[in-house]
Amino acid sequence: GQQLNQSPQSMFIQEGEDVSMNCTSSSIFNTWLWYKQDPGEGPVLLIALYKAGELTSNGRLTAQFGITRKDSFLNISASIPSDVGIYFCAGRNTGTASKLTFGTGTRLQVTL
Amino acid sequence: KAGVTQTPRYLIKTRGQQVTLSCSPISGHRSVSWYQQTPGQGLQFLFEYFSETQRNKGNFPGRFSGRQFSNSRSEMNVSTLELGDSALYLCASSWTSGGRDTQYFGPGTRLTVL
Repeated sequence: GQQLNQSPQSMFIQEGEDVSMNCTSSSIFNTWLWYKQDPGEGPVLLIALYKAGELTSNGRLTAQFGITRKDSFLNISASIPSDVGIYFCAGRNTGTASKLTFGTGTRLQVTL
Repeated sequence: KAGVTQTPRYLIKTRGQQVTLSCSPISGHRSVSWYQQTPGQGLQFLFEYFSETQRNKGNFPGRFSGRQFSNSRSEMNVSTLELGDSALYLCASSWTSGGRDTQYFGPGTRLTVL
């Protein structure tokens, strides 16, 4: 099945550092979503983006919907240990109802 | 509001058996989608139900089926289980407003096929 290209695959950073990850697609999407998944749990929605160029923040998290509608990025500022987990981007087109196409994931590990 | 609930959380079956997984969406959400998550393929869309009708379907064999009840609860069935069906099965419910559709996931059912 199709998966979006997400990079980096994994990151090992120190507490307090900023983190940046991005997601690219060969197709256009009308909605970009960012999720975080902890081991053995379902993905938790972090940020939803609905318009090209949109920049949205949720606490220390900031995400942007690319102008071309084929990419999105997520920034985490001043990382803390509880930021550890796997981050997924997901794209959706209006014509395919609620079907989400997910990225390959970015595994984030934070050290003290 | 209670979140999306899935039962059971863990399941062990043997090849050839069939299995039924259940999902209760967030109250008021009429759309329920199912996804399969494996280390090799990541998160893949199975199907979506809206008002008891399948609205969208992914690229999975016919052994994978689902249904939705009038109270929006949904079940997913996998028949003639194969080893490769071992995965985390996730259910997501969504609410659409002004063209914006936001999906919320349940904790998943971990299926192991022996």
